[in-house]
Amino acid sequence: DSGVTQTPKHLITATGQRVTLRCSPRSGDLSVYWYQQSLDQGLQFLIQYYNGEERAKGNILERFSAQQFPDLHSELNLSSLELGDSALYFCASSVDRGGTEAFFGQGTRLTVV
Amino acid sequence: EDQVTQSPEALRLQEGESSSLNCSYTVSGLRGLFWYRQDPGKGPEFLFTLYSAGEEKEKERLKATLTKKESFLHITAPKPEDSATYLCAVQANSNDYKLSFGAGTTVTVRA
Repeated sequence: DSGVTQTPKHLITATGQRVTLRCSPRSGDLSVYWYQQSLDQGLQFLIQYYNGEERAKGNILERFSAQQFPDLHSELNLSSLELGDSALYFCASSVDRGGTEAFFGQGTRLTVV
Repeated sequence: EDQVTQSPEALRLQEGESSSLNCSYTVSGLRGLFWYRQDPGKGPEFLFTLYSAGEEKEKERLKATLTKKESFLHITAPKPEDSATYLCAVQANSNDYKLSFGAGTTVTVRA
């Protein structure tokens, strides 16, 4: 158990819908990272937050947004969902901004039908 | 843009048959190179971080080494429980702290 908690574990939704994925980082970790893993793309960095502020952005679509709350948990919002958004979404956390020893949650498997 | 290439894509080993996985990288200033293990349907599990050429780290049957252009993950006398996908990632010495991952090497160890 990495100490990073993601909910829900599975999500099935229809095209055009909006979903919210939640992540609770390890106790004491200030950085939260979101990654998308699909069969053809591998693990792709989406976005990073550090202590409530956006720190870095990767290949995140405009339909996707995220935030980190004062209690350090984070949410990833996916809207206007398309079939191609089906993937595993991972959250990771680390104690500092440097990403050293980032610990991953078990992921949320999103299926868009 | 940072690039990470892992080879081979898949590796089938007999129990006890040692082998090595390769991770070649291109990055504009390396802050760190990371190895993770991922089991099917699970999140990546952190194994090692290497920071400079010549550095080596060991954990049980795994040993990671780093040069200026590549890293190797050596698996010595593997057991079936070592079967997993091994992911390599780099972090550049820049303002963002993202990890750029390779596609992984899937290792299957047969008893």
